[in-house]
Amino acid sequence: DQQVKQNSPSLSVQEGRISILNCDYTNSMFDYFLWYKKYPAEGPTFLISISSIKDKNEDGRFTVFLNKSAKHLSLHIVPSQPGDSAVYFCAASGRGGGSQGNLIFGKGTKLSVKP
Amino acid sequence: DADVTQTPRNRITKTGKRIMLECSQTKGHDRMYWYRQDPGLGLRLIYYSFDVKDINKGEISDGYSVSRQAQAKFSLSLESAIPNQTALYFCAAGGREGETQYFGPGTRLLVL
Repeated sequence: DQQVKQNSPSLSVQEGRISILNCDYTNSMFDYFLWYKKYPAEGPTFLISISSIKDKNEDGRFTVFLNKSAKHLSLHIVPSQPGDSAVYFCAASGRGGGSQGNLIFGKGTKLSVKP
Repeated sequence: DADVTQTPRNRITKTGKRIMLECSQTKGHDRMYWYRQDPGLGLRLIYYSFDVKDINKGEISDGYSVSRQAQAKFSLSLESAIPNQTALYFCAAGGREGETQYFGPGTRLLVL
């Protein structure tokens, strides 16, 4: 059963507008969450992370929000740029649940930012 | 310089052949990982290693084996390749608790 879910396989946004990518998780032992960005023919690159002791982390145009009670996190990109077009993976890790700190990835959301 | 490198970048092989994918990292990370990506399935963990000679199975280890004989190197072998092992393979390093993992550029494998 999927522990990390990205229910939207794709998202299309106009340049300059906000992109919101969503991620849900089921394992309450997860305490660290990350977003990775992947361009075609490249490996995933780390984008931003958040610890479970926080509810928001911001880095330039990228902000991740964590709602622990809802087991939900989201990535906001403002303003969106064509170069943001990529597949975004949500990942989670935790000390418990047998994961040994390994990352559990969602299936990804393909973001297309149109000029 | 890339922290994590993978060779080869592309490989075509035939069913039943043994192949090895190599991974090297330059930052001295203790932990290394092999993942597989299939369309619509995200990244799935094949094997991981927390130190030299330490080997642990991931979610989908059947049909694969690994070797970690040096801190900087982690190789993945397909003992007898089959067509459903056609996929993108990524190596990663890092990821000590609370740290991120750094990925290589990937190896695209086609098994005919």
